[in-house]
Amino acid sequence: GDSVTQMEGPVTLSEEAFLTINCTYTATGYPSLFWYVQYPGEGLQLLLKATKADDKGSNKGFEATYRKETTSFHLEKGSVQVSDSAVYFCALREDSNYQLIWGAGTKLIIKP
Amino acid sequence: NAGVTQTPKFRILKIGQSMTLQCAQDMNHNYMYWYRQDPGMGLKLIYYSVGAGITDKGEVPNGYNVSRSTTEDFPLRLELAAPSQTSVYFCASSYGQETQYFGPGTRLLVL
Repeated sequence: GDSVTQMEGPVTLSEEAFLTINCTYTATGYPSLFWYVQYPGEGLQLLLKATKADDKGSNKGFEATYRKETTSFHLEKGSVQVSDSAVYFCALREDSNYQLIWGAGTKLIIKP
Repeated sequence: NAGVTQTPKFRILKIGQSMTLQCAQDMNHNYMYWYRQDPGMGLKLIYYSVGAGITDKGEVPNGYNVSRSTTEDFPLRLELAAPSQTSVYFCASSYGQETQYFGPGTRLLVL
């Protein structure tokens, strides 16, 4: 079945560092891909998404490119801030289905 | 708008007790979902609903029940709590297959 694999956390970086959180997937069809973020004490919220190969999703300085050849959707940000500290979830959804398949989440800690 | 609200925020149950986790949304979304999140794991879908009066099982429905009598509310019922149900529970809603909006979660501990 479909699955999503994320790099294990926590990932600890200093402010203004470059961020990459890896996400790879397996899917039978042509899924849409998502990054959700969960700030402390809050629910998950959509950060960005991409619906087809080579699409780039972006929001709040974060970017991720849908790479079909490597089945990846890595999250990147050029210069992180303390306020980016959160748990980041990668997920996929097949076009024919409502259901989201989730990665385990990666906790990001940014130190001043 | 309040979005998706969940109550309670935290609860401790004894084995065999029952409880209902409440979820409400004010966005007039037709789809609603219940997930559980275990440490180090992704979210797992428990039940979902595509509209009032319609519910269906997700990936991990055993030990839970749901109802959807109105568009706004989607309560999750645990009848006989077990330690394996210790988890964080998230409710979400969406308009069709569009973006899912999540509540803040309910942390449940079964002892």
